[in-house]
Amino acid sequence: QSVLTQPPSASGTPGQRVTISCSGSSSNIGSNTVNWYQQLPGTAPKLLIYSNNQRPSGVPDRFSGSKSGTSASLAISGLQSEDEADYYCAAWDDSLNGRWVFGGGTKLTVL
Amino acid sequence: EVQLVESGGGLVQPGGSLRLSCSASGFTFSRYAMHWVRQAPGKGLEYVSGISSNGGRTYYADSVKGRFTISRDNSKNTLYLQMSSLRAEDTAVYYCIKGSNWNNYYYMDVWGKGTTVTVSS
Repeated sequence: QSVLTQPPSASGTPGQRVTISCSGSSSNIGSNTVNWYQQLPGTAPKLLIYSNNQRPSGVPDRFSGSKSGTSASLAISGLQSEDEADYYCAAWDDSLNGRWVFGGGTKLTVL
Repeated sequence: EVQLVESGGGLVQPGGSLRLSCSASGFTFSRYAMHWVRQAPGKGLEYVSGISSNGGRTYYADSVKGRFTISRDNSKNTLYLQMSSLRAEDTAVYYCIKGSNWNNYYYMDVWGKGTTVTVSS
C-alpha cells in the first residue's frame, strides 16, 4: 500500500492529452513539493518533473506538472507512442523523522 | 556526465548479508545527498534509505530499519548499503540515486541502472 495514491493505469491515443493524478496528505504533498519519474520498459526511472512543475533539461514541454493542496497531477499533451511507460509521483513526507514516499505508479498505454 | 554504477547484487540465502556499492562520477560527490530505492519484481518503487552529503543524517524505511545500514566514503566517491538478516521480500532491483542538494529532502535527480538482489534458498 503506497503512501501516495495514483491510478494504476491510464491510456490515450496519439496526439491526445492525458493526465495522471497523485493524491497524498498534509504531511507529504500538502507541505512539500512533488516530483514525477518516468520509467520506460526495462530501464531505470528518470526524473521528469521536479518541484511540482519544473522540467529538467531535455524533457519536452509536452510534460507538465501541477499541485493543489494535497494532490498533484502530471499532464502529457500531444501523446506519442514513446510516452508509453510507468509514471511515479514522489514527495518528502515529514512524518516519522522524514522519508521519501512514492505513488504506486501509473502504467500509461498509448493506444 | 553524471554516472552512478551499482554493484554487489546477487543471490543470497534468507538470513544472509550483502553489501551494495555505488560508484559515482561526473559530479562533486561530497556535496550531495544520496539514496537507495528498490523495486521488487513487477512492483512499484520503494524508498529504502538516504544519507546527507557529509553522512551526518541518515534515513531508513521502516521495512529495513535495524537490518540495513547506509554509508558513504566521500574520498572514494562511493555509496554503500550494508544489508543483513535478508528476507525474501528484500528481493528487488536496488537503485542508487543522486540527490539534488546536500540534504535528503531535496529531490532525487539522477538514477543508476540498478543491481539485482535475490533472496532465496
